[in-house]
Amino acid sequence: KNEVEQSPQNLTAQEGEFITINCSYSVGISALHWLQQHPGGGIVSLFMLSSGKKKHGRLIATINIQEKHSSLHITASHPRDSAVYICAVPPATDKLIFGTGTRLQVFP
Amino acid sequence: DAGVIQSPRHEVTEMGQEVTLRCKPISGHNSLFWYRQTMMRGLELLIYFNNNVPIDDSGMPEDRFSAKMPNASFSTLKIQPSEPRDSAVYFCASSWGQYNEQFFGPGTRLTVL
Repeated sequence: KNEVEQSPQNLTAQEGEFITINCSYSVGISALHWLQQHPGGGIVSLFMLSSGKKKHGRLIATINIQEKHSSLHITASHPRDSAVYICAVPPATDKLIFGTGTRLQVFP
Repeated sequence: DAGVIQSPRHEVTEMGQEVTLRCKPISGHNSLFWYRQTMMRGLELLIYFNNNVPIDDSGMPEDRFSAKMPNASFSTLKIQPSEPRDSAVYFCASSWGQYNEQFFGPGTRLTVL
């Protein structure tokens, strides 16, 4: 079993839809990262959070440390949100462990 | 700030050749990370440095891989000799402190024929 699991693996949506991507992990962590990888390959850090909720524009990330679960939400999705979304956790060894990613396609 | 700079952006080489990838972290950041991304294994941490010192290199696949950080503004990842299975995208990232948000470079796409 992977230490970091994401669901779904692939997601398609119509422009304007509300998107939820889930991340579950099995290790103890101090924080969780959400990354976005664009079709061109570049990786951007979206959030790093250790509790509660963070919001940036149309993106919202939540984490429940007790349940070892985090969600990334996109409100009013847009075709430019099409990307791979990756969650990553640093367990006690400090090395980031990455989920396999969720490939999101938003159609106009 | 220009962000994390990596060079080259693309490298095509033949099996057995030495390959050197370069990274310039964001000025002021004291942690630097080298990652490899493949279709089969996704993103993997190879090695990371804190204050120019290698902290954990357990992700380095084998002795053919080596990394150095001679100063706070430069790091190299070397593969010698290269093999076709080393073909991947190699990312460098930096952060202020190893537990903080990481900023990724554009990556180097390596193809070993």
